[in-house]
Amino acid sequence: QAVVTQEPSLTVSPGGTVTLTCASSTGEVTSDYYPNWFQQKPGQAPRALIYSTSDKYSWTPARFSGSLLGGKAALTLSGVQPEDEAEYYCLLYYSGARGVFGGGTKLTVL
Amino acid sequence: QVQLLQSGAEVKRPGSSVKVSCKASGGTFSNYVISWVRQAPGQGLEWMGGIIPFIGTANYAQKFQGRVTITADESTSTAYLELSSLRSDDTAVYYCATEGGTSSGPFHYWGQGTLVTVSS
Repeated sequence: QAVVTQEPSLTVSPGGTVTLTCASSTGEVTSDYYPNWFQQKPGQAPRALIYSTSDKYSWTPARFSGSLLGGKAALTLSGVQPEDEAEYYCLLYYSGARGVFGGGTKLTVL
Repeated sequence: QVQLLQSGAEVKRPGSSVKVSCKASGGTFSNYVISWVRQAPGQGLEWMGGIIPFIGTANYAQKFQGRVTITADESTSTAYLELSSLRSDDTAVYYCATEGGTSSGPFHYWGQGTLVTVSS
């Protein structure tokens, strides 16, 4: 099974910009991997933010954007708010429509 | 507005099996993928598999291949996840999720989660 790697932790100042990345052990991440991004706060169920690389759900704040960057999937938060402090997970799909989550990035807003 | 209602918490012995249900209401069931995701205490998310009910064939994570079976009953709009040969590290909250239609993604709606505890 492929391994999906995310930064274990990142820190950003309020109002700042941060990019979280999602790499695949198989090589370059393309749109064919159908990247998804999720946010999870302590004690809560995960909430989907992005699907198909850059498409947003109706509730996804405009400051969140998904892209492909340097061979990885990326989630960029622009104008970070204190409430964005959370764990973020990416999900990539491989052949046979098999999904693999990354280990998550703990984002601290400080 | 789709609602996914999952079955209640389970306590299972090691080596046994568990079957978790996910009943959909308020929307179209058959045409959209239903995914199963789990989260062990203090751990990250794990994708287990998915199924599109009208197709009926499930896809499974390699890690669970041979131990997991995902099915769907269109007549009752219910999806099932069965996990066998349970081990203590299968203790987790199991979630089902489904799409929100053609203009939304595969994890639009979530069930409330089902805690499965594996303990002797």
